[in-house]
Amino acid sequence: AQSVAQPEDQVNVAEGNPLTVKCTYSVSGNPYLFWYVQYPNRGLQFLLKYITGDNLVKGSYGFEAEFNKSQTSFHLKKPSALVSDSALYFCAVRDMRGLGGGGNKLTFGTGTQLKVEL
Amino acid sequence: DTGVSQNPRHKITKRGQNVTFRCDPISEHNRLYWYRQTLGQGPEFLTYFQNEAQLEKSRLLSDRFSAERPKGSFSTLEIQRTEQGDSAMYLCASSPRGGQGAVGYTFGSGTRLTVV
Repeated sequence: AQSVAQPEDQVNVAEGNPLTVKCTYSVSGNPYLFWYVQYPNRGLQFLLKYITGDNLVKGSYGFEAEFNKSQTSFHLKKPSALVSDSALYFCAVRDMRGLGGGGNKLTFGTGTQLKVEL
Repeated sequence: DTGVSQNPRHKITKRGQNVTFRCDPISEHNRLYWYRQTLGQGPEFLTYFQNEAQLEKSRLLSDRFSAERPKGSFSTLEIQRTEQGDSAMYLCASSPRGGQGAVGYTFGSGTRLTVV
């Protein structure tokens, strides 16, 4: 079975400081990895993805993520946090099961609440 | 067409009643997904359509749940004889086919169901 773990329920950081939200995964074969953000009472918004290529992936709103195959991790980072970054962040892995091995079904972690304070 | 649209945004129903939710995907996307999200959890996959064909269903989708996408455009998710455990946010997402599908799909704002 494929899975994603987000070990921190909440991350607190001061505005202007760097932030890291951790994610580890378990998958057979090559992983496709994603980060989504969710604001209260809203759907999920796509931030960035790793498919192949450079291990450092840049995404929306100044976020980036580093793929580490040996540690099976895909941590989300931002050099300087903003109060407006406060939200719920989800890591997800593409599930290669399903009809024909495709379908793009994603398996999500349980989410990490990011709180950025002044 | 600016995104994935879900209706209603909120639904409160009494236990035992039937409810139906609608999802309108991005028009050029031929793949459509339903997920369920309970408090404190990540979204859990329910089912997936490619055009009008329902290609995969999760074991989470009991016999009381049915989803359709009759013309390959909008989709409906019906829950019969609702139970309190069905209370959750139901999310719909869509994606284009093929290589672009790995981009990550677009979610709607969800329908929050409360069963009382």
